Amino acid sequence: NAGVTQTPKFQVLKTGQSMTLQCAQDMNHNSMYWYRQDPGMGLRLIYYSASEGTTDKGEVPNGYNVSRLNKREFSLRLESAAPSQTSVYFCASSGTWGGDTGELFFGEGSRLTVL
Amino acid sequence: SQQGEEDPQALSIQEGENATMNCSYKTSINNLQWYRQNSGRGLVHLILIRSNEREKHSGRLRVTLDTSKKSSSLLITASRAADTASYFCATKGGKLIFGQGTELSVKP
Repeated sequence: NAGVTQTPKFQVLKTGQSMTLQCAQDMNHNSMYWYRQDPGMGLRLIYYSASEGTTDKGEVPNGYNVSRLNKREFSLRLESAAPSQTSVYFCASSGTWGGDTGELFFGEGSRLTVL
Repeated sequence: SQQGEEDPQALSIQEGENATMNCSYKTSINNLQWYRQNSGRGLVHLILIRSNEREKHSGRLRVTLDTSKKSSSLLITASRAADTASYFCATKGGKLIFGQGTELSVKP
């Protein structure tokens, strides 16, 4: 059982380039999330999808777009990368939304460097 | 802004000692969760405590929750070198918001 799979694991971009981070989960979860992790800042929520067909902004959505392609897949796109977007990006999923449960399952992360 | 804030930011102990990490949050919550992150890896869920619970145990982990003080603590008893990791609290009042984490180092 793979859980949450992110690709690519590593990426180096030049300022202004675009790219898409892919995420897929095989646990039949309804909700999916994108976080970024920076030293001293913990994890910050970029975008989330409470259920298939919906997406919403998190704490730091500027410079990013997302697509919930189907129940399994949730992609994060950087249209014009900036050095401030250098970070480790984590995709996560959970079976429930809005209730008192909601354990998140995380991927292994995608390490992005923008030069 | 971060919902949860962990304290201390870093903790260094010897194997066999207990490790206590604290988490404070700002708004009302449905539940509070603790996660662990080994260096270079994704986060792994440890334990969830609901807003109507005061204490919960899982193996060597003990979590307490004080909703009146908006705080929680994670106690790891009889620590091992393999417990070396970063520990995060996360609060859920809808979407899950993480704190900045406590880096725990357990020396053999």
